[in-house]
Amino acid sequence: DAKTTQPNSMESNEEEPVHLPCNHSTISGTDYIHWYRQLPSQGPEYVIHGLTSNVNNRMASLAIAEDRKSSTLILHRATLRDAAVYYCIPGRSGAGSYQLTFGKGTKLSVIP
Amino acid sequence: DSGVTQTPKHLITATGQRVTLRCSPRSGDLSVYWYQQSLDQGLQFLIQYYNGEERAKGNILERFSAQQFPDLHSELNLSSLELGDSALYFCASSPPGTLGEQFFGPGTRLTVL
Repeated sequence: DAKTTQPNSMESNEEEPVHLPCNHSTISGTDYIHWYRQLPSQGPEYVIHGLTSNVNNRMASLAIAEDRKSSTLILHRATLRDAAVYYCIPGRSGAGSYQLTFGKGTKLSVIP
Repeated sequence: DSGVTQTPKHLITATGQRVTLRCSPRSGDLSVYWYQQSLDQGLQFLIQYYNGEERAKGNILERFSAQQFPDLHSELNLSSLELGDSALYFCASSPPGTLGEQFFGPGTRLTVL
């Protein structure tokens, strides 16, 4: 599995954009990059995933570097509900299996 | 609400005992995954079932076993429990053909005294 490096914690003001970085320099060419988040006392929640090009959905945007060794999750306007631990997870599928290997993630605090 | 249900929410038991955790996946999802989250180890993948068959194994102890039934619900059996087995156990499901989008249940908190 590709190793990831994420900041332990970050802070953001409410309604400001947040850029959460992730380094995954050992990622293979076929690994997707997934982002999950875990709100306090809840199970992890899928946020977004991508392979090479940037991706947008209703929750966030994912910017992937051209060399794919890093990616950035962008929350366009942080709300108090976005306070969570964010996990960057490279991974591949194979024969119907897709294990998620969670690291320590980045704990995002949102300041009102 | 992810659509994945887990019972019970909380479980308190003693060392040496055996417990069963239950998971019902979202309608239409064929894969079920089990994860363990403890304070010192973080979230760890235990095992995956796909349409009734074991598909992948992670850091699952020999004292732990799982199965997926014809109606696709799954059970995780933990036996000879130790203090260190105290953790949150999450189940997740995913539909066929998806790439890594898993839907997690609310978890079962196991406390071994």
